[in-house]
Amino acid sequence: SQTIHQWPATLVQPVGSPLSLECTVEGTSNPNLYWYRQAAGRGLQLLFYSVGIGQISSEVPQNLSASRPQDRQFILSSKKLLLSDSGFYLCAWSGPGRSYEQYFGPGTRLTVT
Amino acid sequence: AQSVTQPDIHITVSEGASLELRCNYSYGATPYLFWYVQSPGQGLQLLLKYFSGDTLVQGIKGFEAEFKRSQSSFNLRKPSVHWSDAAEYFCAVGEGGTASKLTFGTGTRLQVTL
Repeated sequence: SQTIHQWPATLVQPVGSPLSLECTVEGTSNPNLYWYRQAAGRGLQLLFYSVGIGQISSEVPQNLSASRPQDRQFILSSKKLLLSDSGFYLCAWSGPGRSYEQYFGPGTRLTVT
Repeated sequence: AQSVTQPDIHITVSEGASLELRCNYSYGATPYLFWYVQSPGQGLQLLLKYFSGDTLVQGIKGFEAEFKRSQSSFNLRKPSVHWSDAAEYFCAVGEGGTASKLTFGTGTRLQVTL
């Protein structure tokens, strides 16, 4: 069966510090991978998605970037965090191609102070 | 562009009562529709999905949803709510293309009173 991991679970970082959140998927090959940010009352905002190694698409301009160095690894990064980067970050995967079901990781709560 | 509306931000029901959560979508083609549930501080869990065929779909935890094309709706129902159903529920529509992107509604928070 497939599983998805995210770490860390919680993170408190000062403004201006770098960020690296990691997501890995087990039990599947060539998944589509997604990063979402969730803010209260605003649902889920898709930040990035990837259909393959090194292929990253950005949905919204922001202070964040994403990378996919391996087939089942997806990393969300920032060089300098802003207060507005605080939130709950969720990673998700779906099967390759037009497989619309997405499966979510447990999330990372980021607080920028 | 596709969109999803969940008109109820917060709903409170008594344990044992029936539940219906509303979802309306805007999408030009035949939609792929989903309901997810999220407990506080957790990720999202897929409850059920509609791709095609029978418009009444069954999901996990006793939930069902009905696709009504004429009303552009995909409402979630449960005949008898349990206290453990208290959570936030998200409706989503699948977008065309190889990336299988989803557009989510803003969610409905369900509170269950004993």
